[in-house]
Formats: sequence, structure tokens, C-alpha cells
Amino acid sequence: DGGITQSPKYLFRKEGQNVTLSCEQNLNHDAMYWYRQDPGQGLRLIYYSQIVNDFQKGDIAEGYSVSREKKESFPLTVTSAQKNPTAFYLCASSTLTMNTEAFFGQGTRLTVV
Amino acid sequence: SQKIEQNSEALNIQEGKTATLTCNYTNYSPAYLQWYRQDPGRGPVFLLLIRENEKEKRKERLKVTFDTTLKQSLFHITASQPADSATYLCASGGAAGNKLTFGGGTRVLVKP
Repeated sequence: DGGITQSPKYLFRKEGQNVTLSCEQNLNHDAMYWYRQDPGQGLRLIYYSQIVNDFQKGDIAEGYSVSREKKESFPLTVTSAQKNPTAFYLCASSTLTMNTEAFFGQGTRLTVV
Repeated sequence: SQKIEQNSEALNIQEGKTATLTCNYTNYSPAYLQWYRQDPGRGPVFLLLIRENEKEKRKERLKVTFDTTLKQSLFHITASQPADSATYLCASGGAAGNKLTFGGGTRVLVKP
């Protein structure tokens, strides 16, 4: 089945620790995205990538880092510099063509205690 | 700055009625708008896309309109069912690569 997979679904970390969220897609999409969603809020863009080995900051990139070493993979690291990391993190992918939809993973709920 | 806003108040509606959701944008002109459905604890799922030169789009019981004069999109669910209960997100895009800007979403609850 083609799709986009995020893991793990739930993640708990102690304050001050870095944590990496996984995102893999087998849709052959060039573009991949990371969004953050807080309770009752919409999605805010953290980082996006349109090609391997290149990525751009979104609206709330501070305290996060990404890599795009393979087309299929776009991991997100939440660093200790992120002041309020507890949130629901969503990964998405799409083609580069305008007017096409984004495909989302099932999300990772990160709780920092 | 670009803003896209949805009514944050939940919409409670009786089964069989039409639910109408609003999405307003300011300070820019998106080339298209998309609507997604999100169930609790899950990722959004794409429903419909409407381009700026289209007035209306339909898919089964769903209808979307795009009014560039009012800077608004309306999303209708006709003959609503309890299974339609979810949060509906509006998103806009205009640049290549499909970088989307999302509204805050409107939660819909359809009561039997």
C-alpha cells in the first residue's frame, strides 16, 4: 500500500532531551512537510523540503531541525531549544505540481515531561 | 501578514440537515483553497480543492464555493450524518511545492 508513515504514534521525553520523529513515504513525492498542531488549533508549518539534500524553514522552525538524505525520508528532530515541544506533529508529502493535495501521516503525539 | 481563518466555535447540527462552514482569508489572494477532514488523533484527509477561477465544486454530499470578492470559501455538507462528525480544515496555497497555510479548523458534531 502506498502511503506516508510516521513513527512512533506516542512519544514521551524528559525536558532537555532531543528527540527524533520519523517520517517515511512510498508515494514517490518530491515534497515533504512537517507541521505542528496544538489542541484546538490549526496546523503550523515547521520545515519543508522539495528535493533531496535541501529544505527550508517554515513559520515556526526555531528549536527544530530536519534532514532529507533520501527522497522517502524526512525526519524531524525536536531539540532542547524548543521551549514548548509538547504537541501533535504531522508529516505530509505531495508532488511539486500546483493544485494537488497533501497526504498526511497519522501523526506523532510528543509529550515532554 | 497572510491570514486564513475559520469559525472556531463548534457546529452542532441535526442529522439530515446541511452543515455550512466558513473560511475567510485576508492580505493575500490564494490560487486555490483545499478542504480537509481530520478525525481526533489522526492526520487530515483531503476532501476537495477549488481554484480561484472556479465558483463551485461538488463531490457526493460535499460542496465548496470560492468567492474572491468576499475573500471567502464556504463548505457545505448536505444530508449530514453522524459519521460526518469531525474537524474540517481549510487550507490555502499559491506557490509551487504546495506549501499550505491552514485555518484553525471547525469542529462539526452531527446528532442523530
